[in-house]
Amino acid sequence: EIVMTQSPATLSVSPGEGVTLSCRASQSINSNLAWYQQKPGQSPRLLIFGASTRATGIPARFSGRGSGTEFILTISSLQPEDFAVYYCQQYNTWPPLTFGGGTKVEI
Amino acid sequence: QVQLVESGGGVVQPGRSLRLSCAASGFNFTNYGIHWVRQAPGKGLEWVADIVFDGSKQYYADSVKGRFTISRDNSQNTVYLQMNSLRVEDTAVYYCAKHLRGYYFDYWGQGTLVTVSS
Repeated sequence: EIVMTQSPATLSVSPGEGVTLSCRASQSINSNLAWYQQKPGQSPRLLIFGASTRATGIPARFSGRGSGTEFILTISSLQPEDFAVYYCQQYNTWPPLTFGGGTKVEI
Repeated sequence: QVQLVESGGGVVQPGRSLRLSCAASGFNFTNYGIHWVRQAPGKGLEWVADIVFDGSKQYYADSVKGRFTISRDNSQNTVYLQMNSLRVEDTAVYYCAKHLRGYYFDYWGQGTLVTVSS
């Protein structure tokens, strides 16, 4: 099973700032990584797939990069609606599909 | 538009059974695999199971293997999750989700809460 590790667990930022979230895989997953955003009481929403391709309707302030075992999600100029929990997920080797533990972006 | 609607959650005692349903609409259901992903209260996401487009193959997380069964009825555009021998640690919101070309999820349902408690 591929273990996904996200850091930090919590990030405290102010609106307008940029943030960088990290996701590490226990072995190479090539570029088979997705990022999701989840707000309280809501289902997760797909942000990024293929490590760097934005999903339909996702603003350009969200960007992803990386390959192999190290991945980054960057949110430039945080908007109030961006405060949420972010999860990475690998789909290179399954079953099982595995998620990271999440990073909470809070004010 | 794509919709996935889960139902069947509730409160159940340990050792008992429950069947969840996921009703799909807005896309060609018979072309896509469907997954169940769960989230324990205050915790992260855990993939549970998936079934391929024609129902011929199913895959399970080790934590539910032998206790949960995923199935689908393509004539009803519905996927089911039969959960037997439920444990307290199965308490979670259960989401069904559709995958895109790769095994990442482009649409999720709203979730249904399963509480296992005596």
